[in-house]
This record gives sequence, structure tokens and C-alpha cells, in this order.
Amino acid sequence: SQQGEEDPQALSIQEGENATMNCSYKTSINNLQWYRQNSGRGLVHLILIRSNEREKHSGRLRVTLDTSKKSSSLLITASRAADTASYFCATGNSGYSTLTFGKGTMLLVSP
Amino acid sequence: EAGVAQSPRYKIIEKRQSVAFWCNPISGHATLYWYQQILGQGPKLLIQFQNNGVVDDSQLPKDRFSAERLKGVDSTLKIQPAKLEDSAVYLCASSLPRLAGGLSYNEQFFGPGTRLTVL
Repeated sequence: SQQGEEDPQALSIQEGENATMNCSYKTSINNLQWYRQNSGRGLVHLILIRSNEREKHSGRLRVTLDTSKKSSSLLITASRAADTASYFCATGNSGYSTLTFGKGTMLLVSP
Repeated sequence: EAGVAQSPRYKIIEKRQSVAFWCNPISGHATLYWYQQILGQGPKLLIQFQNNGVVDDSQLPKDRFSAERLKGVDSTLKIQPAKLEDSAVYLCASSLPRLAGGLSYNEQFFGPGTRLTVL
């Protein structure tokens, strides 16, 4: 079964707008990661946030984590057409454990 | 640094045939994963290796799927016999857990995947 559930399932925006995707999970974690998957390709790691962190930034990405609500959000600012992809959250509870992926959010950024 | 390599990229077979996928992880990565990704869904872990030992294969359909990681480097995943529902992308990933704040974390690096179509 999949632990993470992304919301929305699909998101369509214009270039320059911000995109926000949410992820909810069920069990305790020690880290949450976001991955991007372009059509027909493998996943690319974007950012990792640890359970004792609340917010993290990487370039145009901002991730928040609320462990009390078991939820995370990924914000992409000033989106570009090249950001068009599927975005997955994945939860882990130790360095050697498996990651459990959600079903993903499909983001379409139109020029 | 070379990424995770997988072959073949595409494979079309008929049901009840056999198929094998190959993965070469990033050099030095002790942990290797095989995932199955059905269209429209997220990756589902099939098996995880730590060096050449199996850590987790609880979701591997062992009546038809098998995997090995000889010498703790390359890995092969085999399906025999294939069913229609095995049509999916098979992803290989590797990781090298790192320590921070007394805890370990594993960012995974994925290969391009093998798209399997079973007719």
C-alpha cells in the first residue's frame, strides 16, 4: 500500500505562477523526500526534509513539514515550462528502510 | 559521476514468456532497489538489497519474480512467466545512506527504467 497521498492529482498553471502540491502520510517518519519524474524517465531527487525540520529551501523549491498533521507541501515558485512533470512524495523511517511513494501530482506549466 | 544504468530500455513480450532486466548502480552505493511503476501510480518497491543481501522483498511476487545481486554490484530482475498485469516500468535505484544529526538518510538515485509491455 502507498503511504503518501499527493494532492491535487493534477495541476495546470501558467509560466511564472507558483505551484503548490501537498502530501499526507499515515505513520511516523524520520524523513520525507520529494522526487520529480519527467515523462518516460526515471525519478530525480529534489529535496529531503528531516522529521525535526519544519521548512527547507532549495533554489525555487520550498518544502514544509508538519509532523503533527502528518503532511508536507512542495512549493515551486516562478514556474517554468520545464517544470512540467509528475511530482512524488516519499516517506522513510530510517536510512536503511524503504521509501514509500505516493501516487504523485501531475504538473503542467504552460508557456 | 555516472548514474544508474539499466537495460534494456524497452521490452515487449507475450504472456507466459520470460524476461530479465539488468541494473548497474552508482559506484560505491551499497543499497540497490527494484521498483515497479504501473501507469498513473507511484513506484512500488519490489526488493531492496544491502550489498548482496536482501533487506526487504515482502512485495515481490516470488512465484514469478526473482532478483539477485551478485558480488554486491550489478543486479538482475527476472519475471517467469510474465502476466498481462506485469506491464509496467521497472525502475532500479541505488543509495548510499548518510548520517546527519545522529540519524541516517537515504536519497535514492534512479535509473531511466525499463518499460515492459506484456501482450
